[in-house]
Amino acid sequence: DAKTTQPTSMDCAEGRAANLPCNHSTISGNEYVYWYRQIHSQGPQYIIHGLKNNETNEMASLIITEDRKSSTLILPHATLRDTAVYYCIANPFGGEGTSYGKLTFGQGTILTVHP
Amino acid sequence: DGGITQSPKYLFRKEGQNVTLSCEQNLNHDAMYWYRQDPGQGLRLIYYSQIVNDFQKGDIAEGYSVSREKKESFPLTVTSAQKNPTAFYLCASRRGAEGNTEAFFGQGTRLTVV
Repeated sequence: DAKTTQPTSMDCAEGRAANLPCNHSTISGNEYVYWYRQIHSQGPQYIIHGLKNNETNEMASLIITEDRKSSTLILPHATLRDTAVYYCIANPFGGEGTSYGKLTFGQGTILTVHP
Repeated sequence: DGGITQSPKYLFRKEGQNVTLSCEQNLNHDAMYWYRQDPGQGLRLIYYSQIVNDFQKGDIAEGYSVSREKKESFPLTVTSAQKNPTAFYLCASRRGAEGNTEAFFGQGTRLTVV
């Protein structure tokens, strides 16, 4: 799996957009970018994923650069309940190999939304 | 309703005892995973299984063992060989091991060894 790098922490004002960056400069062509979040003492929750194109769902938007070396998760109108640790991971599409099926997480970004 | 269940939520054991954490899913998922999380840290992969009767070591498998005899179950045993077993343990499952499937997580088991 490609290594991902995220800032340790970020702050955002309630109601504003939260933009969380992720660097995955070693990502390979068959690796999807996934975002999860973990609210304190709970299991992580899937947010969104993408391969090349930008994606949007009811929770967030994912912007992937054209060279796929970085991406940004956007929470358009952050609320206090969005305070959590956000994980960006790269996951192989498939095929054989030592990392096939392996799903590894980094340290994530602690997002704090304040009133 | 469908989901992934970990039990118990809190578990206490004496040092030197083996303990087994339960993980059950009724999502018909092939792939299952176990992670360990220490305070203020990210998730570290212990073991994972892509299919029944097969599993692979993750990044911190020493002191742990698993089995995958049934598709819906992936129990984790924390053995006495694990030097620092007190942690938050999370189980996850995915439809398959391919890259375009998201993982679903249980609510975790907090293990305290005294």
